[in-house]
Amino acid sequence: DAGVTQSPTHLIKTRGQHVTLRCSPISGHKSVSWYQQVLGQGPQFIFQYYEKEERGRGNFPDRFSARQFPNYSSELNVNALLLGDSALYLCASSLEGGRAIDEQFFGPGTRLTVL
Amino acid sequence: GESVGLHLPTLSVQEGDNSIINCAYSNSASDYFIWYKQESGKGPQFIIDIRSNMDKRQGQRVTVLLNKTVKHLSLQIAATQPGDSAVYFCAESWGNKLVFGAGTILRVKS
Repeated sequence: DAGVTQSPTHLIKTRGQHVTLRCSPISGHKSVSWYQQVLGQGPQFIFQYYEKEERGRGNFPDRFSARQFPNYSSELNVNALLLGDSALYLCASSLEGGRAIDEQFFGPGTRLTVL
Repeated sequence: GESVGLHLPTLSVQEGDNSIINCAYSNSASDYFIWYKQESGKGPQFIIDIRSNMDKRQGQRVTVLLNKTVKHLSLQIAATQPGDSAVYFCAESWGNKLVFGAGTILRVKS
């Protein structure tokens, strides 16, 4: 079975542009979480979605938004890109939502570079 | 505030030796802790977890110890192998999100 998949693997954008990152969870998993990992640091929580509803939001500006589709895949959108948005964006899926106590499986991430 | 930190940013060990990676956490109300391994170019990989009602849990070659009195977590890797070289993160569960530490680089010398 395929694990969590993310696309694209790498992306280069310029300041002010918009980006959309995509994630497909493990088959049967209903929850998707997004994390930002800046080089040299641990992942930082951005969003959690469960059954197409936002269940949690981290300390990120409104430029960051996400949604989950009926097939449980998810998109992360970032508007008005800043240099500081350059990072590895990780998607994690879990069977259920509401508690991170449910084991989360991470995808390989999308490496975003903002020039 | 939210913080899970590590005492040692880089750890070098000889192949075959045991490794110990330490982590301090800040939220005394956290009830679930996880260790992840992250290799270059990959996402974090689950290693082992422990709930707050336990103080020790063992897996295959790995042991996690939890000391709630001093809010300290450690990961012990027995007979460290070159394939164990990676960045190791501890994370604690805050409701429906994971709070990660900065990470420890483990280098295994052959």
